[in-house]
Amino acid sequence: AQSVTQPDIHITVSEGASLELRCNYSYGATPYLFWYVQSPGQGLQLLLKYFSGDTLVQGIKGFEAEFKRSQSSFNLRKPSVHWSDAAEYFCAVYMEYGNKLVFGAGTILRVKS
Amino acid sequence: DSGVTQTPKHLITATGQRVTLRCSPRSGDLSVYWYQQSLDQGLQFLIQYYNGEERAKGNILERFSAQQFPDLHSELNLSSLELGDSALYFCASSAGQGWTEAFFGQGTRLTVV
Repeated sequence: AQSVTQPDIHITVSEGASLELRCNYSYGATPYLFWYVQSPGQGLQLLLKYFSGDTLVQGIKGFEAEFKRSQSSFNLRKPSVHWSDAAEYFCAVYMEYGNKLVFGAGTILRVKS
Repeated sequence: DSGVTQTPKHLITATGQRVTLRCSPRSGDLSVYWYQQSLDQGLQFLIQYYNGEERAKGNILERFSAQQFPDLHSELNLSSLELGDSALYFCASSAGQGWTEAFFGQGTRLTVV
């Protein structure tokens, strides 16, 4: 079955440290992949997306993600985390069958000073 | 600000009641998607409308219905409400039929008591 897995429910990093949030997907065709961020009480904001081409994608707020087809992964990275990055992060894959975006369960990022 | 407007922001109602959630898409966007976010189910796709027509259906209960009006705003109707319907309901909009780039509203938090 098509799915998106975010193995880490919570991650805590120190301010200024690097960050990597993991995402694995299960989808037969070439995926369209997304990362969204949700701050408390807010909607979902698109960080970046991958449709095709360069497998390293740059997004907003200094985030990037790398698509690795062989590992069915689309991990999100940031070289230096800021306290304002504390939020919940969702990986999602667009499935043409059903024309829907399927989300992972989310990873809550805590940033300690 | 994503440009997608959802009203009301908060709604508290009793079991058995009916409520209507409203979504105004970004200017020029023809597609509207509805999602439900709950602690136990995560983000679940409910339904999509494109230019007034139902385009895709997800895990939407029979007690729920939606429509998109000629001015492209959409309403999600939830009836015979149960405690388990308490959730955050998001609307997203995109220009085309597919999910190439969609923007989310800030959601309506529904509490059923």
